Amino acid sequence: QKEVEQDPGPLSVPEGAIVSLNCTYSNSAFQYFMWYRQYSRKGPELLMYTYSSGNKEDGRFTAQVDKSSKYISLFIRDSQPSDSATYLCAMRSGGSYIPTFGRGTSLIVHP
Amino acid sequence: EAEVAQSPRYKITEKSQAVAFWCDPISGHATLYWYRQILGQGPELLVQFQDESVVDDSQLPKDRFSAERLKGVDSTLKIQPAELGDSAMYLCASSPPAANSPLHFGNGTRLTVT
Repeated sequence: QKEVEQDPGPLSVPEGAIVSLNCTYSNSAFQYFMWYRQYSRKGPELLMYTYSSGNKEDGRFTAQVDKSSKYISLFIRDSQPSDSATYLCAMRSGGSYIPTFGRGTSLIVHP
Repeated sequence: EAEVAQSPRYKITEKSQAVAFWCDPISGHATLYWYRQILGQGPELLVQFQDESVVDDSQLPKDRFSAERLKGVDSTLKIQPAELGDSAMYLCASSPPAANSPLHFGNGTRLTVT
């Protein structure tokens, strides 16, 4: 079993839908949680960066961490075709600079 | 906004040939990382530098891969000889000295070995 599990999708939704992307993990030492967006043939772009449990909101994006369940989520409100990309979760412990990545979920938002 | 620069964007090479990738991190970022991303997978760390020193190269296949960051700024990753299984995206990332800073990635070099 991998340390970070993420469903590869693809997840296809209509424009305007609320999207929920999720990751589970097994390492209880993880404290820092990140979501990256990666467009085709581009590098990952940092979307959200959170510490420990709770919610963080930035525009249409909300990151949620539940450490007791070892489960993190990224919600996208009012999804747009321009949100079509692969979304990678990443996480690391407090003692390490190096994040462990999920395999990414491919999201398709169709007009 | 400052970016991590990588070149070339695409590289096609024949197996057994040598290939090199270059990365220029964001100015002031002391930590530099090389990752490999196979299609449909998440990035996997190859090597981490702190200034000019290697911090972690435990996942670098040292029989064919080498990496250097001689002056603690830009970095080069080399593969010699390339194998078919090396076909992947090679990503460079950097982060500032602050302990809890996230990584910032470049747009990668897409390597195809034929």
